[in-house]
Amino acid sequence: NAGVTQTPKFQVLKTGQSMTLQCAQDMNHNSMYWYRQDPGMGLRLIYYSASEGTTDKGEVPNGYNVSRLNKREFSLRLESAAPSQTSVYFCASSPQPSSYNEQFFGPGTRLTVL
Amino acid sequence: AQSVTQLGSHVSVSEGALVLLRCNYSSSVPPYLFWYVQYPNQGLQLLLKYTTGATLVKGINGFEAEFKKSETSFHLTKPSAHMSDAAEYFCAVRGSGGSYIPTFGRGTSLIVHP
Repeated sequence: NAGVTQTPKFQVLKTGQSMTLQCAQDMNHNSMYWYRQDPGMGLRLIYYSASEGTTDKGEVPNGYNVSRLNKREFSLRLESAAPSQTSVYFCASSPQPSSYNEQFFGPGTRLTVL
Repeated sequence: AQSVTQLGSHVSVSEGALVLLRCNYSSSVPPYLFWYVQYPNQGLQLLLKYTTGATLVKGINGFEAEFKKSETSFHLTKPSAHMSDAAEYFCAVRGSGGSYIPTFGRGTSLIVHP
C-alpha cells in the first residue's frame, strides 16, 4: 500500500496563478483532510471531508476550495495564489470521522508563491 | 473548546540522555490524546495514542507517554535518545463539541547532539 500520496512535491507559483494540489489514499478511508504547516504555527486545518460527497471548512479556508472527487481522492485548489499561501500542505486521511481514529499523513507539497 | 500547549519549541539533548517532551491540554470532554512525529521533509506519523484504559501508553521507537488527568498532561518520554530521534513532535487532543477533528499543538523540535 502506498498510503497517502500527494502531487506535486514542490511548486513555485507567481501571485495570481492558480493550481490544484492532488491527494489520494489507498486505505479505503472515509475521511480526508487538508492542512497547512507554517513555522511556529503547527498544523492548521483548511478543509475536511467526513465521507465521500461531503466537505466542510476548517480553521483557515479563505482562498482555497476543495473537491472530494471520489472515496480515494481529495483535491485542494488555489484559485488566485497569494504570497501568504506559501506553506507546506499536508493531506491526511482517517478510517472514519471519529475522534478515536488517528490520521495518516501524506509526504506534503511545498508551495512557494512569489 | 480544546487546546494543546507544548512547552518549548526546541528541546536539545545529548545522545543517550533522557528525552522529555511536554504536552498539556485543555478539553471539555474526556480527552483522547495523540503524539505524532515528523521527520525532516516527511509527513506526520503516529507515535502513540491514549483513548481509554491504561494511562501509560507505549509507542513505536521506544517512546512512551503517561496520561495524568490531575495535571492535564500527556508528556512524551524516551529513556535514551538516539540520533535518529531528531525530528518535530506534535501533541494533539481530540475534538469536542460534536467535532471529531483533533487540535494540534505547535510542535517541539527535538535536537540530539552526539
